[in-house]
Amino acid sequence: EAQVTQNPRYLITVTGKKLTVTCSQNMNHEYMSWYRQDPGLGLRQIYYSMNVEVTDKGDVPEGYKVSRKEKRNFPLILESPSPNQTSLYFCASSFAGGNEQFFGPGTRLTVL
Amino acid sequence: DAKTTQPTSMDCAEGRAANLPCNHSTISGNEYVYWYRQIHSQGPQYIIHGLKNNETNEMASLIITEDRKSSTLILPHATLRDTAVYYCIVRVAGGAYNTNAGKSTFGDGTTLTVKP
Repeated sequence: EAQVTQNPRYLITVTGKKLTVTCSQNMNHEYMSWYRQDPGLGLRQIYYSMNVEVTDKGDVPEGYKVSRKEKRNFPLILESPSPNQTSLYFCASSFAGGNEQFFGPGTRLTVL
Repeated sequence: DAKTTQPTSMDCAEGRAANLPCNHSTISGNEYVYWYRQIHSQGPQYIIHGLKNNETNEMASLIITEDRKSSTLILPHATLRDTAVYYCIVRVAGGAYNTNAGKSTFGDGTTLTVKP
């Protein structure tokens, strides 16, 4: 089944403890992206990747890192999480940029 | 990406057509109009997209004005399961080396409530 998977789906952590949220797609998509969603603020783009080893900042990249070493994976790294990064995170992928995006199920992160 | 403006919320009676408007007055010639929807806190789901011609698929129809400054998503026979937040976004046409196609701005969307 064609899909985007995210792990973990739920995570509660404490301030400053490094964490990684994984994203994987099995559709051979070139483009992958991370979004966060907060109440009343819609979806905001964090980082995106046009292809392997090519990443760029979205609208809210501060406090996040990404890497794209393989086509199928696009992990989101929070080196020192803070409470303002408590949010619902979505990963998405598509054939090249600008095309129909397929979204993962979301990761709900709480930073205490 | 061009900015879009949508009404915050709309209601529709079950079985009737739901018409969701979107303004994108600063759209560029190479930008497509995309519609997605999000049910509860699930991942957004693609509905339809178009450049300048009207489009129809099994889920919906998309009507784009001739000047491309606005569009309307039509759900022809809304059901209770169509209750969701609907997002209209504009994006540069795809291409592996078109870095402008990477940015994606969703906005706040329209909360559509389908009532029995």
